[in-house]
Amino acid sequence: DIVMTQGVLPNPVPSGESASITCRSSKSLVYKDGKTYLNWFLQRPGQSPQLLTYWMSTRASGVSDRFSGSGSGTYFTLKISRVRAEDAGVYYCQQVREYPRTFGSGTKLEIK
Amino acid sequence: EVQLVESGGVLVQPGRSMKLSCAASGFTFSSFPMAWVRQAPTKGLEWVATISTSGGSTYYRDSVKGRFTISRDNAKSTLYLQMDSLRSEDTATYYCTTGWEFAYWGQGTLVTVSS
Repeated sequence: DIVMTQGVLPNPVPSGESASITCRSSKSLVYKDGKTYLNWFLQRPGQSPQLLTYWMSTRASGVSDRFSGSGSGTYFTLKISRVRAEDAGVYYCQQVREYPRTFGSGTKLEIK
Repeated sequence: EVQLVESGGVLVQPGRSMKLSCAASGFTFSSFPMAWVRQAPTKGLEWVATISTSGGSTYYRDSVKGRFTISRDNAKSTLYLQMDSLRSEDTATYYCTTGWEFAYWGQGTLVTVSS
């Protein structure tokens, strides 16, 4: 199984600052079509997860351009610019390169 | 507007069975693979199973293989999860979600396995 390892944030992050969340996979997530099959989600307290980006860097419909995904085949970053109170929650990376699909353990973002 | 509404979650004893449903609307259900993801209390997300658009292909995590069955009724725009031989470690909120990118999620239904 592909293991997804997420970093920890130095919480809380002051409102208006930037935050970068890291995620590493135990195997390359680049498929033969050239796309990188990495999703990012945000789960706000008491809510269902929300897709932020797919194919590593493509923002989902309706997602603010303050969220940007980047990375290589095994190392990924989700950058949140000008953080706001509504960005607080747990962020998960997920690989959809192969089965079983696997998630990282989550990174908590708190806003000051 | 895409809507996914899960139902069927209850308190059940270990070893018993239950079936979850997910009613979909606001999109062409038959055009999207579907999946179940669960989240144990205070824990992270865990993929459970995925089914192809026609239902001809299914995929499971090892810990549920042989016990859970994912299925769909495209005429009714409904996704199912039949769960047999339930264990305490299956206790979780179960979400249904769309596509390979897990773009849309329901509100979840809580399954509690306890004696």
